[in-house]
Amino acid sequence: SQQGEEDPQALSIQEGENATMNCSYKTSINNLQWYRQNSGRGLVHLILIRSNEREKHSGRLRVTLDTSKKSSSLLITASRAADTASYFCATGAIQGAQKLVFGQGTRLTINP
Amino acid sequence: EPEVTQTPSHQVTQMGQEVILRCVPISNHLYFYWYRQILGQKVEFLVSFYNNEISEKSEIFDDQFSVERPDGSNFTLKIRSTKLEDSAMYFCASFRLAGGGSPGELFFGEGSRLTVL
Repeated sequence: SQQGEEDPQALSIQEGENATMNCSYKTSINNLQWYRQNSGRGLVHLILIRSNEREKHSGRLRVTLDTSKKSSSLLITASRAADTASYFCATGAIQGAQKLVFGQGTRLTINP
Repeated sequence: EPEVTQTPSHQVTQMGQEVILRCVPISNHLYFYWYRQILGQKVEFLVSFYNNEISEKSEIFDDQFSVERPDGSNFTLKIRSTKLEDSAMYFCASFRLAGGGSPGELFFGEGSRLTVL
């Protein structure tokens, strides 16, 4: 399975601190994406990083990708209470499958 | 901003009944998906649909499930005879054709919560 697995499963930090979530996957990928899900809502795309990229930034988000270790990390800097949500990594395969495979997710809680 | 819309937002049904979940993907998108999420668990791929046919399906997507794009705008998921374990949030997603054969950003609807009693 190319399924991503997030670590930790749950993370609770104080507002203003940085939050780091990790994702590992098993097979070769074309890209890796991070999505956010507020409780009971749909998934919202945050950022996509391609297999030939090592780091990408978008606002307070920083994503890294290490294809040799088959891992990625999502860093949210200067966290806000509104960042409280579940965060999922999703991988797109190199060939064939026209789908994303999602990991288990990290439940992030930002305490005011 | 264009969005994926899903109806109903919540459906309660009796075990053994047929259910149809509806989705209107973003109009210029070409790939369509159904995912499901059992409460508190991971998001699981069910099926992808392209060019009016299923391009891939998971083990979950057995003979009780079917998808259809009946009129060029709606994309439906039918469960013929629901089971208790079908209770979940069902998400529709779509995306524009991306280069390299791998999906780029998926746009998700808000989901349809199915409760089977």
